Amino acid sequence: AQTVTQSQPEMSVQEAETVTLSCTYDTSESNYYLFWYKQPPSRQMILVIRQEAYKQQNATENRFSVNFQKAAKSFSLKISDSQLGDTAMYFCAFYGTYKYIFGTGTRLKVLA
Amino acid sequence: DAEITQSPRHKITETGRQVTLACHQTWNHNNMFWYRQDLGHGLRLIHYSYGVQDTNKGEVSDGYSVSRSNTEDLPLTLESAASSQTSVYFCASSESKGGRTEAFFGQGTRLTVV
Repeated sequence: AQTVTQSQPEMSVQEAETVTLSCTYDTSESNYYLFWYKQPPSRQMILVIRQEAYKQQNATENRFSVNFQKAAKSFSLKISDSQLGDTAMYFCAFYGTYKYIFGTGTRLKVLA
Repeated sequence: DAEITQSPRHKITETGRQVTLACHQTWNHNNMFWYRQDLGHGLRLIHYSYGVQDTNKGEVSDGYSVSRSNTEDLPLTLESAASSQTSVYFCASSESKGGRTEAFFGQGTRLTVV
């Protein structure tokens, strides 16, 4: 069975600084997708970034980028130039055989 | 615009009562999912469906049931509500074909069982 582990329950970062959220996963599948979702206090789940496992190039979306290490089964999220609006819970998710498996989340607080 | 909506947004019910949470999507997605979110556990899969008349159990399915009679709806029923089922419930949908594999989520339903 697939598992997703987020080992940092809480993190904080100063505004304009860079922060990295960690995620590791375990799977025997070779074809899968990985996601980072953001959940602000509004509770809405918002897709931040997506990575296809068959792509070696790390995905980037504006200030958000990932470090995808397939052999190590690691998928970290880097947020550059952190903004107050980045304060949220962040979930790492694995999508394999038509199911999404989520980590336990990292609560990120951006400090002014 | 296509969307996925859950109702109600908040509900308080008594132990032992049957409760149904609604989920309706206009994306025309084949895949639909129900998750519960609890502190320290993230999102855990309750039930999922890959199409009409298809339903499958997730990792925390005890005490819950779903039915899929059309593409748009996947209602979640708590047969006899228990305090352990107090949680925030999320419905999600996704398309299994094509390039878009991300799940689209509803706004969540906060259920309190007293």
